[in-house]
Amino acid sequence: DQQVKQNSPSLSVQEGRISILNCDYTNSMFDYFLWYKKYPAEGPTFLISISSIKDKNEDGRFTVFLNKSAKHLSLHIVPSQPGDSAVYFCAARFTSGTYKYIFGTGTRLKVLA
Amino acid sequence: NAGVTQTPKFQVLKTGQSMTLQCAQDMNHEYMSWYRQDPGMGLRLIHYSVGAGITDQGEVPNGYNVSRSTTEDFPLRLLSAAPSQTSVYFCASSNSRNQPQHFGDGTRLSIL
Repeated sequence: DQQVKQNSPSLSVQEGRISILNCDYTNSMFDYFLWYKKYPAEGPTFLISISSIKDKNEDGRFTVFLNKSAKHLSLHIVPSQPGDSAVYFCAARFTSGTYKYIFGTGTRLKVLA
Repeated sequence: NAGVTQTPKFQVLKTGQSMTLQCAQDMNHEYMSWYRQDPGMGLRLIHYSVGAGITDQGEVPNGYNVSRSTTEDFPLRLLSAAPSQTSVYFCASSNSRNQPQHFGDGTRLSIL
């Protein structure tokens, strides 16, 4: 029972274009969502987050959108750069004061020069 | 600035052996977690701690023990290794519940 789903295992985008990575969740008890980027042989690094009380958060080239009614999260990268090529994980945290995170299975982004 | 340090980076064990994966952070973070990453499964939470002396179970705690005697260290113990525990293990920390986690570079564990 995958509570956080990333249905696209991979995505290829031309340099300079927009990359859109998607994430769906099933549990209404999540209150905080994050995106992490992971390079091979390294740990995930934090990219951007959004609270459930917001619907958009921007940080430079990265924007995260949250649609609570659809239980859908997306990460937009504009413009995409070759260095953005990595695996991207979305993660969701349970509310009620816990520190439990559920991660999606990841989407491998390849930005073509 | 070391951040989160995991040792060893690689380990091969035989079924039934025990082992401790080490995790240390130098950021004075109260919150620490252990995850395992398997192909097609993403990262799954094994155990977590919200401060010295306080630990709790995650999604997949069976076969693993943790303790937190200091703020800096959060070791993960495999009591009797099984092939199903072959995975990449990541340790993470954060300075509050509402801050994102910093991850170590992982320990790749193979159990034969």
